[in-house]
Amino acid sequence: DTEVTQTPKHLVMGMTNKKSLKCEQHMGHRAMYWYKQKAKKPPELMFVYSYEKLSINESVPSRFSPECPNSSLLNLHLHALQPEDSALYLCASSNVGRSNEKLFFGSGTQLSVL
Amino acid sequence: KQEVTQIPAALSVPEGENLVLNCSFTDSAIYNLQWFRQDPGKGLTSLLLIQSSQREQTSGRLNASLDKSSGRSTLYIAASQPGDSATYLCAVGDTGRRALTFGSGTRLQVQP
Repeated sequence: DTEVTQTPKHLVMGMTNKKSLKCEQHMGHRAMYWYKQKAKKPPELMFVYSYEKLSINESVPSRFSPECPNSSLLNLHLHALQPEDSALYLCASSNVGRSNEKLFFGSGTQLSVL
Repeated sequence: KQEVTQIPAALSVPEGENLVLNCSFTDSAIYNLQWFRQDPGKGLTSLLLIQSSQREQTSGRLNASLDKSSGRSTLYIAASQPGDSATYLCAVGDTGRRALTFGSGTRLQVQP
């Protein structure tokens, strides 16, 4: 299994809603990532988890709250988002501590904030 | 701070042509460089990964080279096909940060 699975594929939410994005991998990877991608722009790193611990937070606003319940799962909790947060949210995973750290991406969640 | 630049931003070629996509980066202290493909509204698919100690990697019709000292990488696509139409992104992994920095991508259109 070389897949990273993200749910939901599409999400529309209001600015007062609370929602969560989910990501799952079963490749035994110990590093997991959240990226945000606006249309026609490159992905921008948000968070990195290494061995289920948050290792990088790219100064992301607190309305985005990541969670890594175990080595296979990564969540992104959303609360009080703004319309400018509308984007494609990508999850990725990789091995940690090995030289060949190929990154595997999920298909993303297309988020629209109204 | 690492900066990654890709040239050209867009490219349209007839089917069958060989083509080269360029990527440059400002900080040569990298541990690897990856080329990805992205179809519209989709996730990224890793095409090739080059470790910092390597000069090139090949997979089928794709060949990627790395010149770390000059901060450059190229992706060569042989005998292009309409199915190659996508955005190609270059990303470098920094030794200190162990996270990828992406270029803005090259949007490729291969005309049948």
